[in-house]
Amino acid sequence: GAVVSQHPSRVICKSGTSVKIECRSLDFQATTMFWYRQFPKKSLMLMATSNEGSKATYEQGVEKDKFLINHASLTLSTLTVTSAHPEDSSFYICSARDIRASGPYNEQFFGPGTRLTVL
Amino acid sequence: SQQGEEDPQALSIQEGENATMNCSYKTSINNLQWYRQNSGRGLVHLILIRSNEREKHSGRLRVTLDTSKKSSSLLITASRAADTASYFCATDDRPGANNLFFGTGTRLTVIP
Repeated sequence: GAVVSQHPSRVICKSGTSVKIECRSLDFQATTMFWYRQFPKKSLMLMATSNEGSKATYEQGVEKDKFLINHASLTLSTLTVTSAHPEDSSFYICSARDIRASGPYNEQFFGPGTRLTVL
Repeated sequence: SQQGEEDPQALSIQEGENATMNCSYKTSINNLQWYRQNSGRGLVHLILIRSNEREKHSGRLRVTLDTSKKSSSLLITASRAADTASYFCATDDRPGANNLFFGTGTRLTVIP
């Protein structure tokens, strides 16, 4: 149980194009999903919190017009990197919290990540 | 920033030895979690320790938490080559909090 998938796993694109990354919770529903970015040999940095049916909450320094997030259903959130540039090349990881989660725990289930390379 | 620091940044040991990784954080926490990440892959949740707990075990894993020192350690006993991965601690600051703040990670290499 508690499986999160991401698609695609790897994408290479030309500078200026837009790239959409999907994050799906396969066997549970998630009102909240999270998007992280990870540079090589570095830690994960939270980019935004994606809320089903409402606007995403972006962390300080993350451009919301650059990284468009849509959480259209309880099992799907998408991150679109608009007009990608080489500096956007990174490993993008999503995570999700089970809608049934209660109590003080904040366990998140992580997807396998998407490696974006912008040429 | 709540982001934690981990040490060592890299650790290389022989199979069968124990591996200890440390995590320090800056502000008060609700829970602290340890995750494992294989190269180029997603994160796998290993263990969660609550702020009112001091020690927790899960298989070959032993986690300690010292809130007075704002630090935690992860001990992997009898290491195996398959334990080779990066290990991250992550904290949240209140019940139901959305944000997880990740440490800088320790890259563990277990030599067969």
